[in-house]
Amino acid sequence: GENVEQHPSTLSVQEGDSAVIKCTYSDSASNYFPWYKQELGKRPQLIIDIRSNVGEKKDQRIAVTLNKTAKHFSLHITETQPEDSAVYFCAAINTGGFKTIFGAGTRLFVKA
Amino acid sequence: DAGVIQSPRHEVTEMGQEVTLRCKPISGHNSLFWYRQTMMRGLELLIYFNNNVPIDDSGMPEDRFSAKMPNASFSTLKIQPSEPRDSAVYFCASSLLTGGASGYTFGSGTRLTVV
Repeated sequence: GENVEQHPSTLSVQEGDSAVIKCTYSDSASNYFPWYKQELGKRPQLIIDIRSNVGEKKDQRIAVTLNKTAKHFSLHITETQPEDSAVYFCAAINTGGFKTIFGAGTRLFVKA
Repeated sequence: DAGVIQSPRHEVTEMGQEVTLRCKPISGHNSLFWYRQTMMRGLELLIYFNNNVPIDDSGMPEDRFSAKMPNASFSTLKIQPSEPRDSAVYFCASSLLTGGASGYTFGSGTRLTVV
């Protein structure tokens, strides 16, 4: 079946450094790629998304890139802060077929 | 808007009992999703409704699970009979656009413990 692979599963960085999380999807019909942040004991929250007709999108310290040919997309967090510590999930959505597949998540630790 | 509202926040029940989880989506959102989250399996889609109609229930584990959406503002997920392996956090999410094409807004979740 279709799947989304997310790497790494755990990432530890020093405050102020950058963090990169990568996802690879298999459904070539996927056309919408959101990223969610889930803090401990809380709900996942949408932080940024990108559609298949765009290669890159940026929102302050967060950016997402998409390579449709290679079927992978990445989340970039610059100047990390301790409050960025959370689990981050990528998702690939085929909006025509109503299929959403989540990655397994990346646990990000930002050390002060 | 108050967001997606789920109840109860926590539920502890004995094996064999019936459990009903409730969800009120954001007004105007067309799609509603039920997810289950565990450490081992991550986020699993259980069922997806569009305009109150179940579109994809292939993620429902077995006949013990059932979901309904009688109107645009209310959905339930029922487990009968419950088993310890059903222990998880159950999230309801809604989306403005069909199929989650505008991203999900998740509720706060229901933490279910079956003993």
